[in-house]
Amino acid sequence: NAGVTQTPKFQVLKTGQSMTLQCAQDMNHEYMSWYRQDPGMGLRLIHYSVGAGITDQGEVPNGYNVSRSTTEDFPLRLLSAAPSQTSVYFCASSYGGTGVRTNEKLFFGSGTQLSVL
Amino acid sequence: GNSVTQMEGPVTLSEEAFLTINCTYTATGYPSLFWYVQYPGEGLQLLLKATKADDKGSNKGFEATYRKETTSFHLEKGSVQVSDSAVYFCALRSNTGGFKTIFGAGTRLFVKA
Repeated sequence: NAGVTQTPKFQVLKTGQSMTLQCAQDMNHEYMSWYRQDPGMGLRLIHYSVGAGITDQGEVPNGYNVSRSTTEDFPLRLLSAAPSQTSVYFCASSYGGTGVRTNEKLFFGSGTQLSVL
Repeated sequence: GNSVTQMEGPVTLSEEAFLTINCTYTATGYPSLFWYVQYPGEGLQLLLKATKADDKGSNKGFEATYRKETTSFHLEKGSVQVSDSAVYFCALRSNTGGFKTIFGAGTRLFVKA
């Protein structure tokens, strides 16, 4: 089973460039989310979705867009990359959508390491 | 809003030593509490969880008890191994605010042979 698949694993961008980080899961999870991981700050939530067509903002949404056209895919778009967006990005999913329970664990992808020069 | 505070690292221990990593939380509603572990170069994976007050989560020799009165969920292991070297994250998931999962800053553990 593939689980949560993120691509690419590494990416270097120049300031102002745009790109899309891909995330796909094959577990039929309705709940999907994007986090960024920075030293000393743990994981911070960027955007999340409780099902196809439904997205909402997390703690640090500025500079990022998301859409959810299918249950399987939840891409994260950087419209104009900035050095402050240098980070490791994780996609995570769980069972449950609007009816999700608090005891549902998150399944994580292996991450995308992004550097913005 | 909801938040999680865990002890800063890194924590360095010798093999077979006792481990405690402190975690406290602030939350509205009725959160579930989690410990996730991240090995080098990998994503996070669930280590253990507890879903209500006084529940004890356990896995691979690690334990944590959900203490509502002290709003704590400290991680313990009686005898650590070199293979336990990793970063440990305390987290909560509440039934308010869109069921988002909130993470602590993480504690890096080094275990020496």
